[in-house]
Amino acid sequence: TQLLEQSPQFLSIQEGENLTVYCNSSSVFSSLQWYRQEPGEGPVLLVTVVTGGEVKKLKRLTFQFGDARKDSSLHITAAQPGDTGLYLCAGAPLTTDSWGKLQFGAGTQVVVTP
Amino acid sequence: DAGVTQSPTHLIKTRGQQVTLRCSPKSGHDTVSWYQQALGQGPQFIFQYYEEEERQRGNFPDRFSGHQFPNYSSELNVNALLLGDSALYLCASSPLGMRDRGKETQYFGPGTRLLVL
Repeated sequence: TQLLEQSPQFLSIQEGENLTVYCNSSSVFSSLQWYRQEPGEGPVLLVTVVTGGEVKKLKRLTFQFGDARKDSSLHITAAQPGDTGLYLCAGAPLTTDSWGKLQFGAGTQVVVTP
Repeated sequence: DAGVTQSPTHLIKTRGQQVTLRCSPKSGHDTVSWYQQALGQGPQFIFQYYEEEERQRGNFPDRFSGHQFPNYSSELNVNALLLGDSALYLCASSPLGMRDRGKETQYFGPGTRLLVL
């Protein structure tokens, strides 16, 4: 059971278009990570957000952490074929007895066609 | 600086057999976590090792066990393999001092693809 809900599950867009991926939960997280995963490979860290309301930019990628630290979004501007991949969000629990047990969403598969 | 490494990359086993997967953490990292990722799903936490002891465990049966060595490398053992154990097994390491809020970031290896026939 995924405690983090990601939407949409699948997104297919043309090169140059914008897209947004959402990650929602009823739980409060200490921090939240976004990863991108290629087929057959491990997730590669994109960003960690920590403070409620925080916005981080990584070139054409913009990450936002909700004020209550329960949700997050990833926005890609002018998508390129190299942005194709499975985008995963992972929350770090707030409680010390669950420290280190990252909780992942099921992922959003993004396909950017030339 | 080498990242997280895992071996083997692929493995085929039959039901009932036992398997051992290996992981070397990123330099400077002392904590190793293991995850199972079934096809089409996000990774699921199996357990975490720190100071050669299991510190956290997810909802996995006792058939899943592990070990951490003094050099921080780790092994994942699965006994009595089932067809449903077929998955990508991911190892992730975390740096020293990650036990502060906001420093829980984990860095993943390429994974071991296990197929149980």
